[in-house]
Amino acid sequence: DTAVSQTPKYLVTQMGNDKSIKCEQNLGHDTMYWYKQDSKKFLKIMFSYNNKELIINETVPNRFSPKSPDKAHLNLHINSLELGDSAVYFCASSDTPTETQYFGPGTRLLVL
Amino acid sequence: RKEVEQDPGPFNVPEGATVAFNCTYSNSASQSFFWYRQDCRKEPKLLMSVYSSGNEDGRFTAQLNRASQYISLLIRDSKLSDSATYLCVASPGGYQKVTFGTGTKLQVIP
Repeated sequence: DTAVSQTPKYLVTQMGNDKSIKCEQNLGHDTMYWYKQDSKKFLKIMFSYNNKELIINETVPNRFSPKSPDKAHLNLHINSLELGDSAVYFCASSDTPTETQYFGPGTRLLVL
Repeated sequence: RKEVEQDPGPFNVPEGATVAFNCTYSNSASQSFFWYRQDCRKEPKLLMSVYSSGNEDGRFTAQLNRASQYISLLIRDSKLSDSATYLCVASPGGYQKVTFGTGTKLQVIP
């Protein structure tokens, strides 16, 4: 009964490929997020959705495209992967944008 | 200046010691504050919310100083299991983004 799940946990791919990461939460939360944590461990928000609507879109290259088919899912598609995209990507959810966030286990992306 | 700043550490302390971390935030409109804990190769998890009057949860005490725009976390009687990275979080509220600090690494030594 995992609260926030992500797939895959590990992703190793070549530069230039396109890949997707999926996220699902079963907490009934309205808000979902994507974060990137780089090698220096800095956790930076990328996107936030509330009730399937995009509410935060940080300065992220447009190669990154989130999609929320419903409140419980927020997927991240990345086109034309670059070496600098290598990081851990965390999905999270919260009841409202100001409440406690619950994180998924992370997806470790390595671009070769 | 980073929006939420923390001393990265590492703080190496012996078991049983008391250790304190500070975190400063630049957005004076910040309304909600939290401390998260992140173990190595794991996801961040909420440690505690920070209330205006300060709050305590067992060995952990959080304080907020709005005038100086900083929050603190005090850990008493450190345990080996407290070894982790502690992330400070500030949120202006509404639909504005929540900002995580860069984290402070704590290593409790036997």
